[in-house]
Amino acid sequence: GESVGLHLPTLSVQEGDNSIINCAYSNSASDYFIWYKQESGKGPQFIIDIRSNMDKRQGQRVTVLLNKTVKHLSLQIAATQPGDSAVYFCAEILNTGGFKTIFGAGTRLFVKA
Amino acid sequence: DVKVTQSSRYLVKRTGEKVFLECVQDMDHENMFWYRQDPGLGLRLIYFSYDVKMKEKGDIPEGYSVSREKKERFSLILESASTNQTSMYLCASSSRGGRSYEQYFGPGTRLTVT
Repeated sequence: GESVGLHLPTLSVQEGDNSIINCAYSNSASDYFIWYKQESGKGPQFIIDIRSNMDKRQGQRVTVLLNKTVKHLSLQIAATQPGDSAVYFCAEILNTGGFKTIFGAGTRLFVKA
Repeated sequence: DVKVTQSSRYLVKRTGEKVFLECVQDMDHENMFWYRQDPGLGLRLIYFSYDVKMKEKGDIPEGYSVSREKKERFSLILESASTNQTSMYLCASSSRGGRSYEQYFGPGTRLTVT
C-alpha cells in the first residue's frame, strides 16, 4: 500500500500471478483517481482512471476498484508479466475550479520470472 | 504519439550555481507543471502554468522560479542551487477541458547539487 516516508513499499509476485496494489487516499471530495506506472529511468505513465461515482473500472489486464467508504483504491494486474515491474502510484484529483492532483508515494512491483 | 521532453537526463551542479531545466511538449497543451520526486515522498508540485506568461505557485515553490514565454516550453530555474535541491525533476503537461486532470510526463532530470 501507500506510505509517506523514506521507504517505498514493495510487492514481489511470480510471473503469471495476479498483483494487487493498494492505495489509501486522503480527501473524500476527490472527483477522479488515476493510477500511474513509472518504469526505471522514465516518467510516470497513465494506466487507468476512475471517476468517484464508480466503484470499478476495467482496462486491458488491469482493474481499478474504488471503496469510498474507507477511502481506498486498488489496482489489480492480471497475469503479471516482467514488463509490469515498475513503481505504481495513485493520484487523487480534486476539482477546485481547476484540478488539484495529490500523488501517493508509490509501491514498487517486482515480477519474478 | 504525445511527447514531453526535458533538456537533460542527468545534471550535476555546484552549490550557488544558477540552474535551468527546460521542458518542451508537442501536444499543444495549455497546462504545464514542474514536480520534484524524492524517495517515499511522491511527486510534489513546484509550479504550474495555465497559459503563456502565466504561473502559479505549487506546494513547494521556495528556491525556484519558472518561465513560460511560449506555449510549448516551460522552464524551471534554480536561482542559487543548494544541496537540498538534489532530486528528480519531472515536467508534465495536460490539455484544457474535461480530461485536464490527465497529465503527460517527461522522462525526468536527475539533478545533483554538490
